[in-house]
Amino acid sequence: NAGVTQTPKFQVLKTGQSMTLQCAQDMNHEYMSWYRQDPGMGLRLIHYSVGAGITDQGEVPNGYNVSRSTTEDFPLRLLSAAPSQTSVYFCASSSTSGRVNEQFFGPGTRLTVL
Amino acid sequence: GESVGLHLPTLSVQEGDNSIINCAYSNSASDYFIWYKQESGKGPQFIIDIRSNMDKRQGQRVTVLLNKTVKHLSLQIAATQPGDSAVYFCAEKSTGNNRKLIWGLGTSLAVNP
Repeated sequence: NAGVTQTPKFQVLKTGQSMTLQCAQDMNHEYMSWYRQDPGMGLRLIHYSVGAGITDQGEVPNGYNVSRSTTEDFPLRLLSAAPSQTSVYFCASSSTSGRVNEQFFGPGTRLTVL
Repeated sequence: GESVGLHLPTLSVQEGDNSIINCAYSNSASDYFIWYKQESGKGPQFIIDIRSNMDKRQGQRVTVLLNKTVKHLSLQIAATQPGDSAVYFCAEKSTGNNRKLIWGLGTSLAVNP
């Protein structure tokens, strides 16, 4: 199993550009989420999904959109990038049975918005 | 405990010593408390969790203690190794099925050989 994969690893955008951060998992997990991590801060939840076709907002959803058309994929779209969105973005997934508190994280995408 | 701001609290220990990482939480209604480890350049990795009706749980080389009276959580690592060097986060999960976690700010553990 590849676990949770994220692409790209690094990205530089100009203010106003849009882009999609990709996330995929091969563990058949129902729950997927996106976090951002800023220096000196914990992870903050952007959006999450409890299954295909179901998404909901987290703590900091403004400026981001998500969709969940399949169990495997959970892309994060930046609609119009702003310097405040410079951050490291992590995608995570977890099962709804067994160790439900164990979220599996991808390696992250480092995004810089100029 | 946890600090607010850009600088993570840092714990420096000698290889082979025991480490204790502390965390203060805020929500008395949280039903689980969870510890994650984040190595440099990687995503967080689950270590151990404890349910709110427990006060102690042991794993491999790790023990988590929960004191609900003072809203305090600690992670003890026995015989700390260089590979334990990382940032450690505590997180709390509220009741319900939405899986949302509230994360602490993290503590940096440096293990000196």
